[in-house]
Amino acid sequence: EPEVTQTPSHQVTQMGQEVILRCVPISNHLYFYWYRQILGQKVEFLVSFYNNEISEKSEIFDDQFSVERPDGSNFTLKIRSTKLEDSAMYFCASTGTDQETQYFGPGTRLLVL
Amino acid sequence: QKEVEQDPGPLSVPEGAIVSLNCTYSNSAFQYFMWYRQYSRKGPELLMYTYSSGNKEDGRFTAQVDKSSKYISLFIRDSQPSDSATYLCAMGGSSGNQFYFGTGTSLTVIP
Repeated sequence: EPEVTQTPSHQVTQMGQEVILRCVPISNHLYFYWYRQILGQKVEFLVSFYNNEISEKSEIFDDQFSVERPDGSNFTLKIRSTKLEDSAMYFCASTGTDQETQYFGPGTRLLVL
Repeated sequence: QKEVEQDPGPLSVPEGAIVSLNCTYSNSAFQYFMWYRQYSRKGPELLMYTYSSGNKEDGRFTAQVDKSSKYISLFIRDSQPSDSATYLCAMGGSSGNQFYFGTGTSLTVIP
């Protein structure tokens, strides 16, 4: 069964450093998403991406964040200058043309020290 | 007012019990309703989704949506210890873009 994959599974970084989180969505999906989940809190939407551009973003997704689909398979989230409060689990998700359901990857646990 | 409200529990039931999980929401534009299961430190796993109102059944799981009351439910019949996890409700509007999640209900099924 096709699935969303994410790398790395864990990342530890120093405050102020740039991180890139990588995702490979399900191959025939067209809509891609990033969510985050701070420990003990709810899953929060960051951004959605379709046709090589951002279609929706939350207020969390400020200028420090960017997304890219550098090739036909990868979807990346970049945080330019990490802050302590960026420590969270980051989930990538994708959905097909029906836009009805989002399939989530296993997540990248980011720890900013 | 929060978009989605979900009782965080924790909920503890004996094996074989019927479990009822619920969420309420405020946005009448929501059309897509999902239930995800999340094990500790893992990604949400899609269990069921429903479009608009009605019921949907899949094995031991039944999802119900009552749009008039802005209330959705997930029922688990004959609960098993392997059902122990956090259950997240999620929903979105007709654009199919952003999904709004509940806080999750932690369920433990005791053998």
